Amino acid sequence: DAGVIQSPRHEVTEMGQEVTLRCKPISGHNSLFWYRQTMMRGLELLIYFNNNVPIDDSGMPEDRFSAKMPNASFSTLKIQPSEPRDSAVYFCASSLLNDRGRQYFGPGTRLTVL
Amino acid sequence: TQLLEQSPQFLSIQEGENLTVYCNSSSVFSSLQWYRQEPGEGPVLLVTVVTGGEVKKLKRLTFQFGDARKDSSLHITAAQPGDTGLYLCAGLRGATNKLIFGTGTLLAVQP
Repeated sequence: DAGVIQSPRHEVTEMGQEVTLRCKPISGHNSLFWYRQTMMRGLELLIYFNNNVPIDDSGMPEDRFSAKMPNASFSTLKIQPSEPRDSAVYFCASSLLNDRGRQYFGPGTRLTVL
Repeated sequence: TQLLEQSPQFLSIQEGENLTVYCNSSSVFSSLQWYRQEPGEGPVLLVTVVTGGEVKKLKRLTFQFGDARKDSSLHITAAQPGDTGLYLCAGLRGATNKLIFGTGTLLAVQP
């Protein structure tokens, strides 16, 4: 079975450019989570969706970040404009509702903003 | 405020040694997960504990959930270099399905 798929795996961009990260959750899962991981702050939840509906976006740093889930099999996280402090590894995870919180992570996208 | 504190933060040991990682909170969790993350990869779910006092074993790894469901421990027997990685605990509270992640323990097992 395919796990969570993220693309691209690596992204290098210049400050001010738009960045779009993509995620395909595990088929049948109905919750999707976007995280950011840095050495300084650890793993931070940015936003999560249940049944394609955003439930909690309190972790989204600021208006430059936006996330969408147009259907059950696809989600995007967009940063516009990007800044050097956005450099981090971004993870997508999916789960089944009412599965005791078990989440399954993708391989991550390493973003570098120059 | 960090709801889940892990200790130690860093641990470097020799192959064959035993170790214990702790995950502590003042809050009650309905369930708790342990994940291991290797360099360049996403966290991988190791185990879920649900009942206070529950003990689960995964080969050389033993996980325990505290009686009050506020803390947990991970014990590794005869550590091997393949156990190297970042260990994360994560708890589920209330009706939400949002996990609270711990601060992490970085383990290095030297051959």
